[in-house]
Amino acid sequence: GEDVEQSLFLSVREGDSSVINCTYTDSSSTYLYWYKQEPGAGLQLLTYIFSNMDMKQDQRLTVLLNKKDKHLSLRIADTQTGDSAIYFCAESVRGSYIPTFGRGTSLIVHP
Amino acid sequence: DAGVTQSPTHLIKTRGQQVTLRCSPISGHKSVSWYQQVLGQGPQFIFQYYEKEERGRGNFPDRFSARQFPNYSSELNVNALLLGDSALYLCASSPKDDRPNQPQHFGDGTRLSIL
Repeated sequence: GEDVEQSLFLSVREGDSSVINCTYTDSSSTYLYWYKQEPGAGLQLLTYIFSNMDMKQDQRLTVLLNKKDKHLSLRIADTQTGDSAIYFCAESVRGSYIPTFGRGTSLIVHP
Repeated sequence: DAGVTQSPTHLIKTRGQQVTLRCSPISGHKSVSWYQQVLGQGPQFIFQYYEKEERGRGNFPDRFSARQFPNYSSELNVNALLLGDSALYLCASSPKDDRPNQPQHFGDGTRLSIL
């Protein structure tokens, strides 16, 4: 079955790197996504990675995928107060139109 | 270009009433999905439509229904509202290609409160 798990909270100091972790259970996952949700807003797609990739970098964001351990991480370099939000990991399995979301990690950035 | 737009932004209803939520996808997107996000949880899939046909349905009761119009906008209807239906309802659209696993672009949602 599909299950996506994330830690609920992460607190970092401004300027440091943040690493948000996610584990998933479905070995047939094809795409893995990271979304950001700010208070009172919908979800913003940050980045996604195909399951045949190990890493993807996009400006301050780096996604690492460990398929053996079914572990996905999102690293935010030089974290800013504007990065404070809830970050959702999601997966979709081969042939599916439907992503399954984790509960989200609340990132708090201290000045 | 405008993103996904949803209306209304907030809504208050009482138990037993019916509600209709509306969504306009990004221009050129033919696929629309609906999600329910209860406070403190991730979004839960309700429906997906592509070219006016239902492509998927989540584990929600028959009180929930949806449709997609020729202009690709969509409505989500919920009948006989329960307190547990209080949530943020999110609409998402996907690019026009009929391929699975397309990244979804979300609107800001409709906050539904049931009294």
